[in-house]
Amino acid sequence: QKEVEQDPGPLSVPEGAIVSLNCTYSNSAFQYFMWYRQYSRKGPELLMYTYSSGNKEDGRFTAQVDKSSKYISLFIRDSQPSDSATYLCAMKNSGGSNYKLTFGKGTLLTVNP
Amino acid sequence: NAGVMQNPRHLVRRRGQEARLRCSPMKGHSHVYWYRQLPEEGLKFMVYLQKENIIDESGMPKERFSAEFPKEGPSILRIQQVVRGDSAAYFCASSPDRSPNSPLHFGNGTRLTVT
Repeated sequence: QKEVEQDPGPLSVPEGAIVSLNCTYSNSAFQYFMWYRQYSRKGPELLMYTYSSGNKEDGRFTAQVDKSSKYISLFIRDSQPSDSATYLCAMKNSGGSNYKLTFGKGTLLTVNP
Repeated sequence: NAGVMQNPRHLVRRRGQEARLRCSPMKGHSHVYWYRQLPEEGLKFMVYLQKENIIDESGMPKERFSAEFPKEGPSILRIQQVVRGDSAAYFCASSPDRSPNSPLHFGNGTRLTVT
């Protein structure tokens, strides 16, 4: 079993739709959870950062972490064509190697105008 | 405020040649990380360096790969005697410290193609 599982999609939605992206993980030591956005031929850009369980909202983006289920989600409200990108979940533990990110494979999202 | 700068953006090497990838971290950042992204795969950790020190190279193949971050100048990821399986996008990231609360800032990567 991979440490982090993420459905690669692709996911195609109309403009204005609510998008739900998620990852599951197996390592209970993960404490820090991130979502990155990666446009084609670019580097990952940090969108959301959450420590432990709970919700975090930033504009149209909401990140949720459920540690009991080992499940994290990213919701995008009122999706825009400019949101079309690959979304990567990433996580790290709180132990000695807390600098090391473990990524999902990414979900390719297309928002159609 | 320049971000993480990587060069070259694209690099083509024949099998057996050497590849040198360079990374200049964000201003004020002294911690550098290299990740590799293979086609259809997620980003994989390779190595973590601070100025003049390799902290963790557990993700880097033992042979042919080396990394450095000298006191002056960029971090270098060096791949000797490249093989086709080395073809990938190599991303560098930096942070101001190793606190888990410090987010990593990524560059736009170097895409290595081995022919």
